[in-house]
Amino acid sequence: DGGITQSPKYLFRKEGQNVTLSCEQNLNHDAMYWYRQDPGQGLRLIYYSQIVNDFQKGDIAEGYSVSREKKESFPLTVTSAQKNPTAFYLCASSFMALAKNIQYFGAGTRLSVL
Amino acid sequence: SQELEQSPQSLIVQEGKNLTINCTSSKTLYGLYWYKQKYGEGLIFLMMLQKGGEEKSHEKITAKLDEKKQQSSLHITASQPSHAGIYLCGADSGGATNKLIFGTGTLLAVQP
Repeated sequence: DGGITQSPKYLFRKEGQNVTLSCEQNLNHDAMYWYRQDPGQGLRLIYYSQIVNDFQKGDIAEGYSVSREKKESFPLTVTSAQKNPTAFYLCASSFMALAKNIQYFGAGTRLSVL
Repeated sequence: SQELEQSPQSLIVQEGKNLTINCTSSKTLYGLYWYKQKYGEGLIFLMMLQKGGEEKSHEKITAKLDEKKQQSSLHITASQPSHAGIYLCGADSGGATNKLIFGTGTLLAVQP
């Protein structure tokens, strides 16, 4: 089945620790995105990538890092610099067709701080 | 920058009742997307609208984009418990990227 797989579903971070969230897609999409969802704030864009080996900062990139070494994979690292990491993280992907940007989402990873 | 405002923020309806959710943009909409989310899960794509006056339906859900392309509505007819969840509208942010901006969502509860 084609789709987007995020893992793990739940993740706990200790103080000062970096953690990495996985996102894999087999839809042959060019573009991939990471969003953060907090209660009452909708989705905010962290990073996005339109092509392999290239990515851009979104609206709230501070304290996060990404890589795009393969078309199918776009992992997100939450670094110790992110002081308020507790949130629901969503990964999405889409084709690079302007004005028809249907993004498809994974099931999400819920990150909590111990 | 463009902002999307959704109303109402939350809604409780009796099963079988009709309801409408609105999404208003501060700028002209060139692509408007409706998604549904169950709590703790990912977003499910419902419909996309592009042209002023456009209307699309899927099962009991109808989405419309007004002629001025600054407001969209999502209408559910004869609501069922399966319609419960968070409805989010998203819009193309313009420019040469595929970025979307999202509204804050409308939480729908359907009472049996």
